[in-house]
Amino acid sequence: ESVLTQSPGTLSLSPGERATLSCRASQSVSSSYVAWYQQKPGQAPRLLIYGASSRAIGIPDRFSGSGSGSGTDFTLTISRLEPEDFVVYYCQQYGGSPRYTFGPGTKVDIK
Amino acid sequence: QVQLQESGPGLVKPSQTLSLTCTVSGGSIRSGDYFWSWIRQPPGKGLEWIGHIYYSGSTYYNPSLKSRAAISVDTSKNQFSLKLSSVTAADTALYYCARYNDYNYSFDYWGPGSLVTVSS
Repeated sequence: ESVLTQSPGTLSLSPGERATLSCRASQSVSSSYVAWYQQKPGQAPRLLIYGASSRAIGIPDRFSGSGSGSGTDFTLTISRLEPEDFVVYYCQQYGGSPRYTFGPGTKVDIK
Repeated sequence: QVQLQESGPGLVKPSQTLSLTCTVSGGSIRSGDYFWSWIRQPPGKGLEWIGHIYYSGSTYYNPSLKSRAAISVDTSKNQFSLKLSSVTAADTALYYCARYNDYNYSFDYWGPGSLVTVSS
């Protein structure tokens, strides 16, 4: 079973700061198969990034993803935190068993 | 704009079967590039993929559910459904239906979720 680990569990920052969220896979995965989601309280997750680095429709350019080729380490960066960005973020991979897995999430909260 | 909406009972007794339906609007469930999925989230916890179905009826499930899950599709109604048998309190969760995009390997549209509580 391929497991995703996200770090840190909680990230405490101030509006305007840069956030760097990490996602690590227990087995190598193609960057094509990695996505990131944002979940606000009381809402369903929203797709932010697919293919490790491509922004989904309507996602502001302050969100960016990285991680190239096949590897185990992927990153979501929020360049300048807006008040609405202080929520939970999940990474997700395709492949292995089960076919789709999610990381445990990183909560970004206000310092 | 594709929209998904879950419906079904919010309370199920232990050992019984949980049943939910997802209605898709704004697009056809017969579109060839998509799989129609169920994902759940226990209160305060992370996301677990349950399984998915293609419009042709082909299914794939998370092995952790040990054959308790069954997903079906009704293309005439643009709906797909989940049945989860022999439920316990551990199955209490927010259940989401979502569209899996096989072009970019991501879940690109989600329903708002349906809370199902397992309790006697």
